[in-house]
Amino acid sequence: DIQMTQSPSSLSASVGDRVTITCRASQGISNHLAWYQQKPGKVPKLLIYAASTLHSGVPSRFSGSGSGTDFTLTISSLQPEDVATYYCQKYNSAPHTFGQGTKVESK
Amino acid sequence: QVQLAESGGGVVQPGRSLRLSCATSGFTFSDYAIHWIRQAPGKGLEWVAVISVDGTMQFYAESVKGRFTVSRDNSKNTLHLQMVSLTADDTAVYYCATGRYTSSWLPYWGQGTLVTVTS
Repeated sequence: DIQMTQSPSSLSASVGDRVTITCRASQGISNHLAWYQQKPGKVPKLLIYAASTLHSGVPSRFSGSGSGTDFTLTISSLQPEDVATYYCQKYNSAPHTFGQGTKVESK
Repeated sequence: QVQLAESGGGVVQPGRSLRLSCATSGFTFSDYAIHWIRQAPGKGLEWVAVISVDGTMQFYAESVKGRFTVSRDNSKNTLHLQMVSLTADDTAVYYCATGRYTSSWLPYWGQGTLVTVTS
């Protein structure tokens, strides 16, 4: 099975900072990658699909890139409401594995 | 709007069984594959299973294969996750989610139901 590895596991950034999270697949998955945001005690929310397509209603400060095995989620200017854990997920074929998550905190 | 609602969670002893349900509204149930994802307390998301639109295909995570069975009845718009031989490692919030296809991103999630396996 394809493994999904996110880095870093956690990060601390100031409001207004640019934040980058990476996700690496152990084998190529084309662009079949999604990113989710989960705030404490809440249900995960879809941010990006097809590696770079912003889901409806998601602020434009979020962006995604990559293809094959290496992917990136970028928050161009961190806002207080972006404090959350972010997960990547492959969906090209089962199992639809999630990355282990990246916790984003505010300094 | 699209809504999913899980039910059937609770406290169960190790080795016992439990059946979760996922009720849906706001979309044509028979046109959508349904996924199950779980999250152990304080841990990350774990994809569990998916069932195809017509129920003929199911795929499972290795951790639950042979113990969990997902089924659907399109005539009743219902979906179930039958779990047997439960262990403490199965303790988690279980979410149902949908994204149209078996291989699809997941824009719609339920609120989750907590399953606690303890003696």
